[in-house]
Amino acid sequence: KAGVTQTPRYLIKTRGQQVTLSCSPISGHRSVSWYQQTPGQGLQFLFEYFSETQRNKGNFPGRFSGRQFSNSRSEMNVSTLELGDSALYLCASRFAYEQYFGPGTRLTVT
Amino acid sequence: SQQGEEDPQALSIQEGENATMNCSYKTSINNLQWYRQNSGRGLVHLILIRSNEREKHSGRLRVTLDTSKKSSSLLITASRAADTASYFCATDASDDKIIFGKGTRLHILP
Repeated sequence: KAGVTQTPRYLIKTRGQQVTLSCSPISGHRSVSWYQQTPGQGLQFLFEYFSETQRNKGNFPGRFSGRQFSNSRSEMNVSTLELGDSALYLCASRFAYEQYFGPGTRLTVT
Repeated sequence: SQQGEEDPQALSIQEGENATMNCSYKTSINNLQWYRQNSGRGLVHLILIRSNEREKHSGRLRVTLDTSKKSSSLLITASRAADTASYFCATDASDDKIIFGKGTRLHILP
């Protein structure tokens, strides 16, 4: 089976802009989670989607949103980017308790 | 807030030696997992131990879990250069979120 894919892999945006990241889970996996990883805060849970519904949400402001489509592909959107949003954004598809991570999208906000 | 906290934050050992990392967590869990992350990449699932298990092995990995102390340890025996990576513990609690610690950076010296 193909692994989890994320696009784009690298992105540079300007403060105030918005960005959309995409994640395609492993075929057959219906759960997709998103994480933000920074050197200071480590891996922070953003949200989890299961069968197009948000199942869990972390403690992030409303500028961070996501959705999941009927084919389980997921997108996350960050509006009004801030410098502190610069991070590696990781997506994971989940089967039972095990998560399978994509390579991540490196977002740099200037 | 982080559920798991790894200790030490960083560890350097000679190739061939054993490496031990610890993880402490705060609330009751269903299971605990360990993941590895090579520099700036996605995480790779290593091993899962359920709350009713005390020890689990996988190749050169040995994981223990002490639910009374809310702690786990990961032992990598006969370390190799390829083991250089960051290692994270992840716990899932009653709300089904999977929460990661900040990780231990392991460096294997030649």
